[in-house]
Parts: sequence; structure tokens; C-alpha cells
Amino acid sequence: NAGVTQTPKFQVLKTGQSMTLQCAQDMNHNSMYWYRQDPGMGLRLIYYSASEGTTDKGEVPNGYNVSRLNKREFSLRLESAAPSQTSVYFCASSEASRGRYYEQYFGPGTRLTVT
Amino acid sequence: AQTVTQSQPEMSVQEAETVTLSCTYDTSESDYYLFWYKQPPSRQMILVIRQEAYKQQNATENRFSVNFQKAAKSFSLKISDSQLGDAAMYFCASRGGSEKLVFGKGTKLTVNP
Repeated sequence: NAGVTQTPKFQVLKTGQSMTLQCAQDMNHNSMYWYRQDPGMGLRLIYYSASEGTTDKGEVPNGYNVSRLNKREFSLRLESAAPSQTSVYFCASSEASRGRYYEQYFGPGTRLTVT
Repeated sequence: AQTVTQSQPEMSVQEAETVTLSCTYDTSESDYYLFWYKQPPSRQMILVIRQEAYKQQNATENRFSVNFQKAAKSFSLKISDSQLGDAAMYFCASRGGSEKLVFGKGTKLTVNP
């Protein structure tokens, strides 16, 4: 049982390049999330998916796109990377029912540097 | 909208002593949840403790306990018998009726031997 996995662990991009961060969970969770963490800041929600086939914007969605490929996988795409997107990216998942809490399980993070 | 404020960027404690980390929050929702997460140098986010707002009793998990003051919108974390492995960033977070977590900026805890 791997929980939440993310690839890659580290990535360096040049300004304007594109890339996709991959996330997968093996806990049969309905909901998945993408966060970014900048120095001196807590995690901020980029996008989330409440269930397969649905996605919604979080606090900081500009410059990103997401795809909920199936129940297991939720990818985050940077179409044209900018230095402001240098950050650590976390994926998380939870079994969710509206109005009731389920713990969010986090992946190990991806450190992305855009030069 | 929910906001979470951690006013202590850094704290330190002697091994075996007790330390309290502060958190205040603001929400217009009547049903919400509060959390403390630990992030060690490995970067992994680990849930330490959670509190349902409708419960008056403060949550406890072994050496970790909270002081939940609903009227004051305060949610502090107490770590008793601090251990070297407790050294980490600690984040306070809240969640309302939606599934979104809102995090504070974190407190870096140093444990001195």
C-alpha cells in the first residue's frame, strides 16, 4: 500500500517550458488535491477534484491546468512555466462526503525550480 | 472565507519540556474542523491532531493536545514531554463545509537537547 505517490521528486525547468506533475493514490479515495508550498507560507490549494470527472479551482489556479484521468490519478500541468511557479507541490487525497471530514493523505512532494 | 493565522514563526523548547503553539482562525461557518499538521525536514505532511468544532471536549493524541476556545476562535497545540523527533514545521489548518483545507503559515519548532 503506497498511499499517495508523486513523480517526479525534483524538476528544473526553463521559463516557458511545459511539464506535467503526476499523482496517484491507491486508497480508492474520491477526492484529490494539488497544493503548492512557498517559503514562509503554508500550503495553498491550486485545484481539487471532488470525484472522478470533476475538477474545481482552489486559491491559486492561474497558470495551471489539471486532469482527473481516473479515480486513481490526478495530474497538474504547467503549460508555460514561470519563475513564480518555483515551489514545492503536494498532491493529497481523501475519502470525502460533503459535510463530513475525512483525513487528507499527502504525497511526498515535488520540488520544482523554474529558471 | 476562512483564514488561519499563526503568529509565532519560530519556537524553541528544551527536550522533555512542554511547548504551546498558537493558532487563531476566522470562519463564518457553523460546522468546521481544525487540524494541526507536522512537516519534518523530509517534507512529508503528517496529521497530528484534529478537532471537530461541535465538540466541546479538547482533542488529545498521546503527548499532543489542543486548547480549543471556540468563542475566541483560538486553537493552540500543546506538546508535552517534547522529544527531538518533534522538531518540525507545524501548520494549523481549518476546513468548513467544503473539502478545502486552509493553512496557516506555520511555526518552526526547534527542540534543544
